[in-house]
Amino acid sequence: GAVVSQHPSWVICKSGTSVKIECRSLDFQATTMFWYRQFPKQSLMLMATSNEGSKATYEQGVEKDKFLINHASLTLSTLTVTSAHPEDSSFYICSARDRLVGEQYFGPGTRLTVT
Amino acid sequence: AQKVTQAQTEISVVEKEDVTLDCVYETRDTTYYLFWYKQPPSGELVFLIRRNSFDEQNEISGRYSWNFQKSTSSFNFTITASQVVDSAVYFCALFNTNAGKSTFGDGTTLTVKP
Repeated sequence: GAVVSQHPSWVICKSGTSVKIECRSLDFQATTMFWYRQFPKQSLMLMATSNEGSKATYEQGVEKDKFLINHASLTLSTLTVTSAHPEDSSFYICSARDRLVGEQYFGPGTRLTVT
Repeated sequence: AQKVTQAQTEISVVEKEDVTLDCVYETRDTTYYLFWYKQPPSGELVFLIRRNSFDEQNEISGRYSWNFQKSTSSFNFTITASQVVDSAVYFCALFNTNAGKSTFGDGTTLTVKP
């Protein structure tokens, strides 16, 4: 079946540094990928929608300059958390929508801890 | 705007009991998809079911069953003869085909005690 991978699965970084998270669709092409953030004991909140070859669409309240999204190919989207702060510590989940069948598949998530 | 409400924040049952998780949604779209996901402590979302807005047929898969009623905008999930391994957070989600994105409910934490 379709698989979406994320790398890294967990990361610890110091405040002020930047962290890049990769999301890959492994056996299908995804024109659209989604980035979610989930704080402990809360639901998934959509941060942005990225379409291959174009700028991402950010949800209200999400800082586009802080959360840089690049969707350079049909199988890869990256989320860069710039100048990370402890309040950015969260579980980041990506999902990819299969271009052909329209199904949405979720990655395993990346746990970010900013110290 | 669309919204998914899971009124039950936490449910605790004893093994072998049946349990129903409620999901009520709001949308103005006529075409949409409803999902249930399981999130165990590892964090990875496990897909359970997808139902499109034109298919109100209820579904059973092993111990799992789903009741979709458009008249009440509900998509409830029942686990029969619950097991300890069913303990997890369960999310109901609505996919808006026009906007092309999903809205998640707040989740229901199910604890099944031995």
